[in-house]
Amino acid sequence: AQKVTQAQTEISVVEKEDVTLDCVYETRDTTYYLFWYKQPPSGELVFLIRRNSFDEQNEISGRYSWNFQKSTSSFNFTITASQVVDSAVYFCALSEAASSASKIIFGSGTRLSIRP
Amino acid sequence: NAGVTQTPKFQVLKTGQSMTLQCAQDMNHEYMSWYRQDPGMGLRLIHYSVGAGITDQGEVPNGYNVSRSTTEDFPLRLLSAAPSQTSVYFCASSTRRGYEQYFGPGTRLTVT
Repeated sequence: AQKVTQAQTEISVVEKEDVTLDCVYETRDTTYYLFWYKQPPSGELVFLIRRNSFDEQNEISGRYSWNFQKSTSSFNFTITASQVVDSAVYFCALSEAASSASKIIFGSGTRLSIRP
Repeated sequence: NAGVTQTPKFQVLKTGQSMTLQCAQDMNHEYMSWYRQDPGMGLRLIHYSVGAGITDQGEVPNGYNVSRSTTEDFPLRLLSAAPSQTSVYFCASSTRRGYEQYFGPGTRLTVT
């Protein structure tokens, strides 16, 4: 069965600090997809990144970076030099290739607060 | 493109009432899903569809029905509302298997 665990319920840091959000997943499938979504206080869900299980390269997009390690079943998200606008709930998600299409399982989310 | 639209944005129901949450997308996506979001529980999949005429159950389907008569529309029906169905409901669509989902703005439902 697929499962996503985000052990950090809430994180609070001061602006300009770096912060890492942890995501650990479980799957029996060899082909799967991992995602990160952002939910700002306005409530919409914003797609950030998608990674397939065969691509373990880390990715950097501006202040955001993602570290995918199959050996530890983790897909962690780091924000460098955090800003107040980064305050949001962040969700990690998993989709197994063998499961029915569009069946994405979400973690319970990490609420990130950036203090000015 | 409007993307994924949902109506209504807010709704209050009394226990036992029925209603339909509307979801439409104009991106010609085959795959559509309904999720509910409750505090501390992330998003849980209610029902999903891989194309017109094809639907299936997710993690928490009880009390909800769906149908998919067109590619664009994927309504969610509450048969007999219960307070446990108080939640925020999100509809999503994606172009194909394993790809990111695009979410609607959500419907906040309160059942009293």
